[in-house]
Amino acid sequence: DQQVKQNSPSLSVQEGRISILNCDYTNSMFDYFLWYKKYPAEGPTFLISISSIKDKNEDGRFTVFLNKSAKHLSLHIVPSQPGDSAVYFCAARRANTGNQFYFGTGTSLTVIP
Amino acid sequence: NAGVTQTPKFRVLKTGQSMTLLCAQDMNHEYMYWYRQDPGMGLRLIHYSVGEGTTAKGEVPDGYNVSRLKKQNFLLGLESAAPSQTSVYFCASSYGTEAFFGQGTRLTVV
Repeated sequence: DQQVKQNSPSLSVQEGRISILNCDYTNSMFDYFLWYKKYPAEGPTFLISISSIKDKNEDGRFTVFLNKSAKHLSLHIVPSQPGDSAVYFCAARRANTGNQFYFGTGTSLTVIP
Repeated sequence: NAGVTQTPKFRVLKTGQSMTLLCAQDMNHEYMYWYRQDPGMGLRLIHYSVGEGTTAKGEVPDGYNVSRLKKQNFLLGLESAAPSQTSVYFCASSYGTEAFFGQGTRLTVV
């Protein structure tokens, strides 16, 4: 049973516009949420995270929003750049079960120049 | 600063053969993980470790074994490879709130 879900397999955005990637989760025991970026033939790299006690975290062009009541988080990238084209994975952590990280299925973002 | 290093990067196995994937981290992290990535399935946790000498099952442990004899190393073994184990395998380590990944091992079982 997928505890972290990314329902959009792909997303295309024009350069300079906003990219919004969405993620839903089912387990209320998750205490930390993360976004990872992955290029082909490379391992995932950490992008940005948010604690469950916050509703927003910003780092440069990247902002993550958390809506705990809806069990939903989103990643906003603005402005989008061609170098942002990659697969983005949403992840959630359960600290009390061996610090496990659960991942979504990924969203492939293409930024069109 | 190497971070998380996986060996080998590529491997082709025949059905029934065995092999061991090695993961090494130089960040003194307590937690280590093995994931597999398959198309449309995302990253699924195979086994993990909360410290030297400990291992535990993740979401998809069947057909795999692991060992963590030293804090910096986490080994993933396939005793009798099957075509269903064709995948990209990622090792990761963590100090708590963030996981750091290796570059991956592409394994093909024919």
